Amino acid sequence: DAKTTQPNSMESNEEEPVHLPCNHSTISGTDYIHWYRQLPSQGPEYVIHGLTSNVNNRMASLAIAEDRKSSTLILHRATLRDAAVYYCILRDAGSSYKLIFGSGTRLLVRP
Amino acid sequence: AAGVIQSPRHLIKEKRETATLKCYPIPRHDTVYWYQQGPGQDPQFLISFYEKMQSDKGSIPDRFSAQQFSDYHSELNMSSLELGDSALYFCASSRDGKSGANVLTFGAGSRLTVL
Repeated sequence: DAKTTQPNSMESNEEEPVHLPCNHSTISGTDYIHWYRQLPSQGPEYVIHGLTSNVNNRMASLAIAEDRKSSTLILHRATLRDAAVYYCILRDAGSSYKLIFGSGTRLLVRP
Repeated sequence: AAGVIQSPRHLIKEKRETATLKCYPIPRHDTVYWYQQGPGQDPQFLISFYEKMQSDKGSIPDRFSAQQFSDYHSELNMSSLELGDSALYFCASSRDGKSGANVLTFGAGSRLTVL
C-alpha cells in the first residue's frame, strides 16, 4: 500500500475548524483515501473516505487535491470529544483485505 | 444498530499459556480483520478472513492462529504466550472485504495481559 505522511500532532480550540493534512505523493489511480480516528481507550472509528471528489458527511469533510497527492480532513467545529489520533490511510480499490495504520496525527482540543 | 462484539473484554494469562479471543461481526458482514495494539503503538494488522477463507496476512506470529466459522464469527488463538503479547486486540468487520471503498467497523477490543 502507498505511504502517507501526517504531522505527529496538532492543536485546536474548541468550536473552531480543524484542518488535518495528509500527504500521499505515491498514490495510485485506484487508491481510495480513508480517514479513521481512535479516541482514547477505544477501537478505531471510520470518519470518511473518497477517491477523487471532495466528500462531506455528518462527521467531517474530505478535501482531495486535484492531483490527489494530498488531502485534508476538515472538522468544521471541533469539540472536546474530537480529541483523538487521526489516521489517513490509502486502500487499493480492488485488492485490499486489510487496512494498514501509519503513525497518525494526535489532535488536542483546548476548551 | 448491532456492533462488532468481542469477548472477553479482559483476559489475564501466565507466560506460556494459551488464550482465545472471539469476535462476532456485524450481521451480513462477510470479512473479519484482527489487529494488535501494544501500549503507545498504532494498531498492527494481523490477519483477515473473507467468506471463511484467509484473505490477507500481516505481522501475525507463528504462535497465533485464527479462523472464521460458518456463522462468520472468528477466533484468534494465541499459544506459548509471551510478555510482549500483552496488548489490546481489536476485531473489525466489513462487507465486501476486497473493495478498497469498504468501511471497517471495529469492536471495543480485548485487553490481554500476560504475567
